[in-house]
Amino acid sequence: GAGVSQSPRYKVAKRGQDVALRCDPISGHVSLFWYQQALGQGPEFLTYFQNEAQLDKSGLPSDRFFAERPEGSVSTLKIQRTQQEDSAVYLCASSLAGASRGQYFGPGTRLLVL
Amino acid sequence: ILNVEQSPQSLHVQEGDSTNFTCSFPSSNFYALHWYRWETAKSPEALFVMTLNGDEKKKGRISATLNTKEGYSYLYIKGSQPEDSATYLCAFIANTGNQFYFGTGTSLTVIP
Repeated sequence: GAGVSQSPRYKVAKRGQDVALRCDPISGHVSLFWYQQALGQGPEFLTYFQNEAQLDKSGLPSDRFFAERPEGSVSTLKIQRTQQEDSAVYLCASSLAGASRGQYFGPGTRLLVL
Repeated sequence: ILNVEQSPQSLHVQEGDSTNFTCSFPSSNFYALHWYRWETAKSPEALFVMTLNGDEKKKGRISATLNTKEGYSYLYIKGSQPEDSATYLCAFIANTGNQFYFGTGTSLTVIP
């Protein structure tokens, strides 16, 4: 299909393990966003890319979180030394330009840190 | 951090009932409000993009209204069906940037 895809869909990690979450946006979409949704909460903004440039990373909760989009298409969100509080659904969204006209979301990666 | 609130948190209705829920957001720096429908294990699906005060949009049995001066939007579902069961999220966009500020969602269960 032509939608946003994310992998893996589910990830179980042991505390202290590093994880990498992948997002494949819709082809041609310039903007890419990452969100974190903890249980019982709404999605919270993590970071935003325009092409390969990371324009806003103000939502990343700690320096253990790192995101990249080296060629302006696929993006990876990396979490180092995972902690239990990192357990959440990580959503990726893409759009043609910015957020104002709407975003297309992937199905999310559900991360459980034991 | 902007405060976007949704109520109720969850709702159970009988098939055929009509229902509505609320999204409250800051009345200043408004740019747009989005409504999404999110079924379990699927991607959030865009329902409406609302930008003008007084906007009223409709998609089948679902409609939404917008009041930017007082900072709220209502989502209405007429004649609820079991397939309407999902979490309904609203997201506020300020005119100061590209961030979406999501509410916590309203979880709707329609009982056959």
